[in-house]
Amino acid sequence: AQSVTQPDIHITVSEGASLELRCNYSYGATPYLFWYVQSPGQGLQLLLKYFSGDTLVQGIKGFEAEFKRSQSSFNLRKPSVHWSDAAEYFCAVGAHEVDMRFGAGTRLTVKP
Amino acid sequence: DVKVTQSSRYLVKRTGEKVFLECVQDMDHENMFWYRQDPGLGLRLIYFSYDVKMKEKGDIPEGYSVSREKKERFSLILESASTNQTSMYLCASTDSDLYNEQFFGPGTRLTVL
Repeated sequence: AQSVTQPDIHITVSEGASLELRCNYSYGATPYLFWYVQSPGQGLQLLLKYFSGDTLVQGIKGFEAEFKRSQSSFNLRKPSVHWSDAAEYFCAVGAHEVDMRFGAGTRLTVKP
Repeated sequence: DVKVTQSSRYLVKRTGEKVFLECVQDMDHENMFWYRQDPGLGLRLIYFSYDVKMKEKGDIPEGYSVSREKKERFSLILESASTNQTSMYLCASTDSDLYNEQFFGPGTRLTVL
């Protein structure tokens, strides 16, 4: 069965610093990969997704993620973090609509 | 824009009560989902529905049931609420053509006393 691991429960970065959130997955085939963001009191919003093709994926709000098959990873990056990026981030993997698995989430705190 | 709404943002119920959580989407999506979100556990699928009157169990269906009488509405029912069902409940919907991109409601934080 597929699974998703987000090794970092909580990360703190300074505003303007770069960010990388880690995501590792276990899946029998090439999965569909997603990153969602959840702001306080809100539902989840899709940041970006990978289905196939170019392994570097651009998303909304200046985020990008890179799929590395050899490492079973799909890490999320942003070159310069803004205070409004403080939120919880979820990596998800799935092969079809009802096969989605979410990671436990990484909470991002942004220091002024 | 796709909009998924949930009937309540916060709900407080007593043990043994029957609880209804309502979810409505306005984009004519075929698939609808109910998740439970708990700290350190991420999102876990309770039930999903791929068509009106159709439902399938997810990973943690025990203690829950669902109803989908109309395409736009998907209800989660706690037949007899218990304290271990205190959680955040998230509804989502997706169009099959969008292949897995799920659109989420704002969530209902349920407290069972």
